[in-house]
Amino acid sequence: AQKVTQAQTEISVVEKEDVTLDCVYETRDTTYYLFWYKQPPSGELVFLIRRNSFDEQNEISGRYSWNFQKSTSSFNFTITASQVVDSAVYFCALSSDMGQNFVFGPGTRLSVLP
Amino acid sequence: DSGVTQTPKHLITATGQRVTLRCSPRSGDLSVYWYQQSLDQGLQFLIQYYNGEERAKGNILERFSAQQFPDLHSELNLSSLELGDSALYFCASSVRAGVGVDEQFFGPGTRLTVL
Repeated sequence: AQKVTQAQTEISVVEKEDVTLDCVYETRDTTYYLFWYKQPPSGELVFLIRRNSFDEQNEISGRYSWNFQKSTSSFNFTITASQVVDSAVYFCALSSDMGQNFVFGPGTRLSVLP
Repeated sequence: DSGVTQTPKHLITATGQRVTLRCSPRSGDLSVYWYQQSLDQGLQFLIQYYNGEERAKGNILERFSAQQFPDLHSELNLSSLELGDSALYFCASSVRAGVGVDEQFFGPGTRLTVL
């Protein structure tokens, strides 16, 4: 069965600190997709990124970056120079090739303090 | 504003009842996804439709059903409601079919409370 673990339940940082959110996944599929979503206090879900299992290149988008390492089954998310607006719950997720077996991790609550 | 609309925003009903949640995808998006978020189960993927056809199924109970209509809006029907069905139900849409292909745009959610 597919599984996503986000071991960090809650993280607090001070504004401008860098922070890394960990995501470890389990799957027997050779083709799969990994995702990160953000859920700010207002409650909506925001899609951040998807990555397929054949693309191990790290991705950077502004202050956000993602490190995909197949060897350790990890897909970690780093926020550089964090801001108060980054305070949210962040979910990592995994799906099989065609969208079946889609599972979310339990989420990491990030609090960025001014 | 993501462009995905969900109605109603809030729904309060009693156990044993049946409700219908509605989702209108962004203009041009062919795929619709349904998710459930509850305190007990966390976030769960329920089901995906693409251009009217079921595409992928997640942890959707037999008491729940969904469909996507020719105008691409989707409805999630929940019947024989139980207290544990109280949750936030999100709908998302994307342009193409595969979950891993496209960015998903989420609606604001429907909060269902079963008393």
